[in-house]
Amino acid sequence: GNSVTQMEGPVTLSEEAFLTINCTYTATGYPSLFWYVQYPGEGLQLLLKATKADDKGSNKGFEATYRKETTSFHLEKGSVQVSDSAVYFCALKGQAGTALIFGKGTTLSVSS
Amino acid sequence: NAGVMQNPRHLVRRRGQEARLRCSPMKGHSHVYWYRQLPEEGLKFMVYLQKENIIDESGMPKERFSAEFPKEGPSILRIQQVVRGDSAAYFCASSQATETNYGYTFGSGTRLTVV
Repeated sequence: GNSVTQMEGPVTLSEEAFLTINCTYTATGYPSLFWYVQYPGEGLQLLLKATKADDKGSNKGFEATYRKETTSFHLEKGSVQVSDSAVYFCALKGQAGTALIFGKGTTLSVSS
Repeated sequence: NAGVMQNPRHLVRRRGQEARLRCSPMKGHSHVYWYRQLPEEGLKFMVYLQKENIIDESGMPKERFSAEFPKEGPSILRIQQVVRGDSAAYFCASSQATETNYGYTFGSGTRLTVV
């Protein structure tokens, strides 16, 4: 079946550092890939998405490229801020009629 | 245009009681999904519903848990005879359609504590 694996946290960075959170997936067919962010005490918010191979999703300085050859969708940001501290979830959606499947989440903590 | 509304935000139940969690999807969204979030375990899919139909309940525990999405009113996730292990955050999400490239809009969750 479909599954998502993302790097375990927590990831601790200083402000303005470069961020990478790895995400790989297993799926049949051509899934869409998503990154969601969850701030403390809140629900998940869609951060970015990519719907086909080689697409790059981007938002708020974050970006991720859909790499079919390596089945990956790594999240990157060139310069993190304290306000980026949150839990980040990689997710996959397979064929129509199926639900989003999430990775376990990676906690990011950014200090000033 | 209100987002996905979940209530209550916090719910405390004693062991053996029933818990009812409500979810009103975004306006225009007819697909509802329930997820459970346990510490250190991420988000686990529970059930996917459309109006008056359960589409996929493969993530629902076989006993004590049920879900509905009636023609009128919110979707309800019902947990009977709660146990301590049911303590978790329960999130509802909705989407406009089920095609592959549609993301979900999430509610703020209901945090259930069983004492």
